[in-house]
Amino acid sequence: QVQLQESGPGLVKPSETLSLTCTVSGGSISNYYWSWIRQSPGKGLEWIGYTYDSGSTNYNPSLKSRVTISGDTSKNQFSLKLSSVTAADTAVYYCAREGFYSGSGRNYYYFDNWGQGTLVTVSS
Amino acid sequence: DIQMTQSPSSLSASVGDRVTITCRASQSISTYLNWYQQKPGKAPKLLIYAASSLQSGVPSRFSGSGSGTDFTLTISSLQPEDFATYYCQRSYSTPKTFGQGTKVEIK
Repeated sequence: QVQLQESGPGLVKPSETLSLTCTVSGGSISNYYWSWIRQSPGKGLEWIGYTYDSGSTNYNPSLKSRVTISGDTSKNQFSLKLSSVTAADTAVYYCAREGFYSGSGRNYYYFDNWGQGTLVTVSS
Repeated sequence: DIQMTQSPSSLSASVGDRVTITCRASQSISTYLNWYQQKPGKAPKLLIYAASSLQSGVPSRFSGSGSGTDFTLTISSLQPEDFATYYCQRSYSTPKTFGQGTKVEIK
């Protein structure tokens, strides 16, 4: 069973860069999409973006100008950098794997493995 | 972007009740729709993928249906451990948008 674990500072100052790492165990990060998803206190889920095979990336347009997601197959990790943070970026940040099912000539993707989440607070 | 709207935002139900949650997409998404359950302080858990396929290990009282723009998650007989918040999520293309959630509370 694949396990994911987020790590990084729990407190970031406004205007600085939030940096988190997700360490994957029990399976390789190769050949899967790996995403970051966040949840502001008391709110819903927001997909931030993904990396695939340490190269390809795709970001939520609402955050695209501030986000960088990258993967490191040698360490079996992927990371998130979110620049110029404000209090609105305070949230629980989850890393997640996208599994997929192939059927009827289509590929269906879903988040089947999640980290436990890490709370990042933006405050001076 | 395609928006996902769930209804109701919350509901109260009793153990044994049949519960139905609706998710509507602003454009057709075929069957590219997933459902998750989230309990307080925990990560979401996948229940249903491809609109109606039950994830391994998920009890059969959970079922999903729909295609195009209208989808439902049904719990056939609500159990104590089912009190949680449920989210739908469109899986085709990006951004991978979630619904705003439906909180199922004890009546």
